[in-house]
Amino acid sequence: QVQLVQSGSELKKPGASVKVSCKASGDSFTDYAMSWVRQAPGQGLEWMGWINTNTGNPTYAQGFTGRFVFSLDTSVSTAYLQISSLKAEDTAVYYCARGYYDNSGYYYSDYWGQGTLVTVSS
Amino acid sequence: DIVMTQSPDSLAVSLGERATINCKSSQSVLYSSNNKNYLAWYQQKPGQPLKLLIDWASTRESGVPDRFSGSGSGTDFTLTINSLQAEDVAVYYCQQYYSPLITFGQGTRLEIK
Repeated sequence: QVQLVQSGSELKKPGASVKVSCKASGDSFTDYAMSWVRQAPGQGLEWMGWINTNTGNPTYAQGFTGRFVFSLDTSVSTAYLQISSLKAEDTAVYYCARGYYDNSGYYYSDYWGQGTLVTVSS
Repeated sequence: DIVMTQSPDSLAVSLGERATINCKSSQSVLYSSNNKNYLAWYQQKPGQPLKLLIDWASTRESGVPDRFSGSGSGTDFTLTINSLQAEDVAVYYCQQYYSPLITFGQGTRLEIK
């Protein structure tokens, strides 16, 4: 069955960087897009954007440009989220999610990772 | 941005009863060329990956119990859970994908009364 397994929790200091991984299994990695969603403590879901697994082209939502980078290693069916210059307000659970897309953009996500807690604290 | 507003923020329903969660979009998510509503519903339980329940506003995903149903069109949508079970305790989110900038509702927490 399809599984998205994310890397473990991270504790980082302000100004540092973090790279979260999301390894997919159970289906063809490049048949679907990969999106990223943030959930701050006690808050709802915030869509960060998505990456086309065929072309590697990322699309970032407003508020997630500059410090946030989506990347892929298709040889190991893994997507990555890197956040640089971390701030306390980046403390959140970050989810990867597999989904459908076309030329119009991303649609909905049919499988989600378990989430990775990134804590930014001095 | 399309703003998605869910109501209520939380609700408590007795086992075996019906739960109704509403989702309203700030603009229509009905695409006229294919007559499809670009709306999905998800379930979030503590410690578990989110689960897709409904897409295209009313298409139940494979494996989702048929007590879950989605309805509505345009700007107003409803997730209905008939005969509530204990395992349905969760937070439920709607999400529009009509706009390239995907947005979620704020979530509705469902508890047992």
